[in-house]
Amino acid sequence: DQQVKQNSPSLSVQEGRISILNCDYTNSMFDYFLWYKKYPAEGPTFLISISSIKDKNEDGRFTVFLNKSAKHLSLHIVPSQPGDSAVYFCAAGGATNKLIFGTGTLLAVQP
Amino acid sequence: SAVISQKPSRDICQRGTSLTIQCQVDSQVTMMFWYRQQPGQSLTLIATANQGSEATYESGFVIDKFPISRPNLTFSTLTVSNMSPEDSSIYLCSVVGGNRNIQYFGAGTRLSVL
Repeated sequence: DQQVKQNSPSLSVQEGRISILNCDYTNSMFDYFLWYKKYPAEGPTFLISISSIKDKNEDGRFTVFLNKSAKHLSLHIVPSQPGDSAVYFCAAGGATNKLIFGTGTLLAVQP
Repeated sequence: SAVISQKPSRDICQRGTSLTIQCQVDSQVTMMFWYRQQPGQSLTLIATANQGSEATYESGFVIDKFPISRPNLTFSTLTVSNMSPEDSSIYLCSVVGGNRNIQYFGAGTRLSVL
């Protein structure tokens, strides 16, 4: 049972344009959600998070939107840069601090 | 965020042997976790490493196969025992930071079992 899903395995975007990465979840008990970026041969790097009581959180070029009724969150990167090319994972957590990860989306930003 | 060092960064091992992976943090942390990322798949939690007591394992993972030690608040080890090719994965440790909802990860150990 995949509680956190990223239905797009890959995404290609032109430099300077917006990248939108999507994530769906099934468990309404999740308290918070996070996005991580992962380069090959490195561990995941924390990007941005959002609490379940909010619907938007912004940090520089990165904005996360949460739609609780749809059990859907998205990460917007504006403007996209070639250095943003990586695998992006969404993750969900609750009271136990355990994280459930999605399957990842490979973002390629074309110069 | 904490600085997390994992050793080794990669290894190639023979079937039936065991490998111990170390995770060192530059500050005391309450919660440490071990994850596995199989090829082409997501990160899956193996266990929570508890300081001074037995680790708490997730469904599908057992102590005999993945013994974990946590002797203090800055260090933990994960052993992959009696390895088979199916154990070929990236193994990652993580810690909870000042914000209890954020986990920070080590660079991972890339394990290949022949």
